[in-house]
Amino acid sequence: AQSVAQPEDQVNVAEGNPLTVKCTYSVSGNPYLFWYVQYPNRGLQFLLKYITGDNLVKGSYGFEAEFNKSQTSFHLKKPSALVSDSALYFCAVSSLRGGYQKVTFGIGTKLQVIP
Amino acid sequence: EAGVAQSPRYKIIEKRQSVAFWCNPISGHATLYWYQQILGQGPKLLIQFQNNGVVDDSQLPKDRFSAERLKGVDSTLKIQPAKLEDSAVYLCASSLGGQGHFGAGTRLSVL
Repeated sequence: AQSVAQPEDQVNVAEGNPLTVKCTYSVSGNPYLFWYVQYPNRGLQFLLKYITGDNLVKGSYGFEAEFNKSQTSFHLKKPSALVSDSALYFCAVSSLRGGYQKVTFGIGTKLQVIP
Repeated sequence: EAGVAQSPRYKIIEKRQSVAFWCNPISGHATLYWYQQILGQGPKLLIQFQNNGVVDDSQLPKDRFSAERLKGVDSTLKIQPAKLEDSAVYLCASSLGGQGHFGAGTRLSVL
């Protein structure tokens, strides 16, 4: 069975500092990896994805993530945090199962950027 | 392109009542998902459609939940009868090739 782990319930970072939100995964075969952000009372918004190719993926709002196959990780990063980045972040893994994409989400990490 | 539309945005019912949610996916997206998101948790897949066929409903409580996707477009999710533990946000998403596009969700409160 595939799974996603987000080991930190909450990450606190000062505005202007770099941020990292961690994600590790377990899947058979080649993974598709995603990061989503959720603001209060909103649905999930897509940030970025890794399908194949360059291990460093750049996405929306200045976020990026690095796919590390040996460590089965896909950590989300941003060089300089903004207060407006405060939200809930979800990592997801998808793999092909019986002709369809099976998607599994992590439990989420709350990012708090402190002014 | 228009996003995934869901209605209603909020619903309050008493336990043992019935409720239905509606989802209109992005045009052309073959895959449609219904997720349940309980406060403080990540989205849990309830059911996944590929066109109008079900490909995964392993986590759907089939004794009370049902879903359909007629003509491979719109979908409805029904709960009958509702329990207190069904209080959650119900998210609909559609995709073409793995990346999900989510609606704003329906927040259900069961009293």
